[in-house]
Amino acid sequence: EAQVTQNPRYLITVTGKKLTVTCSQNMNHEYMSWYRQDPGLGLRQIYYSMNVEVTDKGDVPEGYKVSRKEKRNFPLILESPSPNQTSLYFCASSFRPGGASYEQYFGPGTRLTVT
Amino acid sequence: GENVEQHPSTLSVQEGDSAVIKCTYSDSASNYFPWYKQELGKGPQLIIDIRSNVGEKKDQRIAVTLNKTAKHFSLHITETQPEDSAVYFCAAAPSGGKLIFGQGTELSVKP
Repeated sequence: EAQVTQNPRYLITVTGKKLTVTCSQNMNHEYMSWYRQDPGLGLRQIYYSMNVEVTDKGDVPEGYKVSRKEKRNFPLILESPSPNQTSLYFCASSFRPGGASYEQYFGPGTRLTVT
Repeated sequence: GENVEQHPSTLSVQEGDSAVIKCTYSDSASNYFPWYKQELGKGPQLIIDIRSNVGEKKDQRIAVTLNKTAKHFSLHITETQPEDSAVYFCAAAPSGGKLIFGQGTELSVKP
């Protein structure tokens, strides 16, 4: 089944404790992206990757890191989480060549709470 | 950078009525405008999209219109059904890998 998977689905952590949210897609998509969803703010793009070893900042990259060493995986890293990073996170992927200009397939989301 | 404004934030209609959601964007370089539907507990899913060289696009009960001059685009859902109840997001792609979403509209269709 073609899909985007994220792990974990739910995570409660404490301020400053490094964490990684994994994202994997099995559709051979070149483009991948991370978003956070907050009430009243919609979805905001954190980082995106047009291809392996190519990553770029979205609108809200502060406090996050990403890497794209393999085509299928695009982990989101929070080196020192803070309470303002409590949010619902979505990973998405898309067939090239336009990256964001083609249908994006979203994962099921990761609910992160930082206390 | 690009900014997308979406209205209304909530919309309640009777089953069978039409629903219209409107968005405006700021960056004239944006050339792709998708609409996503998000059901409770799930990730968003594309329902329709339009490119800047097209003024209108239809897919059964759903249509999207684009006014490039005014930088407006709208989603029209006709003959609404209870299963249309969800949160709808518009978005604009200014260039390359960026995609800017609106704030979302919670649509409720009452039987």
